[in-house]
Amino acid sequence: QTVVTQEPSLTVSPGGTVTLTCASSTGAVTSGYYPNWFQQKPGQAPRALIYSTTNRHSWTPARFSGSLLGGKAALTLSGVQPEDEAAYYCLLYDSGSYVFGPGTKVTVV
Amino acid sequence: QVQLQESGPGLVQPSETLSLTCAVSGGSISDYYWNWIRQPPGKGPEWIGYIHYSGSTNYSPSLKSRVSMSLDTSKNQFSLRLTSVTAADTAVYYCARGTSLGLWGQGTLVTVSS
Repeated sequence: QTVVTQEPSLTVSPGGTVTLTCASSTGAVTSGYYPNWFQQKPGQAPRALIYSTTNRHSWTPARFSGSLLGGKAALTLSGVQPEDEAAYYCLLYDSGSYVFGPGTKVTVV
Repeated sequence: QVQLQESGPGLVQPSETLSLTCAVSGGSISDYYWNWIRQPPGKGPEWIGYIHYSGSTNYSPSLKSRVSMSLDTSKNQFSLRLTSVTAADTAVYYCARGTSLGLWGQGTLVTVSS
């Protein structure tokens, strides 16, 4: 089964920009993997942010953007706010099933 | 506004069957793909599978031999069954809507223990 990898942790200053990536063990991530991104804060259910690589949900702030970058899916947070401190998970669709990444813990300091 | 609510026993005996239901309110179940996801304590989420309103299913290869899902349009809910559970199946279980998993329930903790 596909193994998805993400940076374990990243630190960013308030107002700064940070990019998270999501790689697949089967090769380059393309739009055909329909990359999704989720945010999870402690004690809460994951919240969907981005679907199909670049599309924001109606509730997703504009400072969150999705893309493909160097064979990986990427989530960029621009103008980071303190409330963006959370775990972020990517989800890829591969060979008929969905696989989550292990998550990236983003710390805002 | 559509909401999802998981329900079921919070404690299951080892080797028994875990059964959960997800009630859909504020909208019809007769559309979309409906997913189950679980998250062991301190770990990331794991996709379990989905059921389409037509009744077609797709399960994670790692759980396929133990999982089944069903859908009840009259009650606007769908269900998960996981057989032969062990302590490794202890997790918060979530239901979610759509191929983008755009809407999630709040989750329910299921502990497998004697």
